[in-house]
Amino acid sequence: QKEVEQNSGPLSVPEGAIASLNCTYSDRGSQSFFWYRQYSGKSPELIMFIYSNGDKEDGRFTAQLNKASQYVSLLIRDSQPSDSATYLCAAARSGGYQKVTFGTGTKLQVIP
Amino acid sequence: EPEVTQTPSHQVTQMGQEVILRCVPISNHLYFYWYRQILGQKVEFLVSFYNNEISEKSEIFDDRFSVERPDGSNFTLKIRSTKLEDSAMYFCASSDRDPYYGYTFGSGTRLTVV
Repeated sequence: QKEVEQNSGPLSVPEGAIASLNCTYSDRGSQSFFWYRQYSGKSPELIMFIYSNGDKEDGRFTAQLNKASQYVSLLIRDSQPSDSATYLCAAARSGGYQKVTFGTGTKLQVIP
Repeated sequence: EPEVTQTPSHQVTQMGQEVILRCVPISNHLYFYWYRQILGQKVEFLVSFYNNEISEKSEIFDDRFSVERPDGSNFTLKIRSTKLEDSAMYFCASSDRDPYYGYTFGSGTRLTVV
């Protein structure tokens, strides 16, 4: 069974701090990796995707990928209360048109 | 911004009945998917659909499940002989051929089987 593992949290950070979310995956055939944000009762919303080793930055978000360690992370700088949500890590074998395997998600709470 | 539209937002059905969940994917997308999420659990893949046929399906997608794209815009999931354990949020998603952008999910249909 190919799995994506995340700490369920909750991860609590004060407003303005950096939130660090981590994820590991077991399928070495995974090629694309995604971070989705899911508010309670809502659908997942794509925040970032990454497919090359290293860092990828988009605004306050930085995704990091280490394929050798099978590790993906998401950093959220200057965390805001509106960032409070569950963050889903996901992996796909061959791009966005194949199935995506999701982790259980990490609940982030940003404390004002 | 283009959206994936799902109807109804909430469906209640009696065990053993048939339900059809409807989705209108983004118009220029070519790949369509159904996922489900049981309350408090992870998002799970059900089926992917391309070129009017199923590309891949999971173990969850048993003989009671079927998908159809009856016209150029709608994409439906039919569940026959519903069971209590089918109760979940069902998400439709679509993507284009670019592998880097991930999915766009619809807002979901909450299915409650009683």
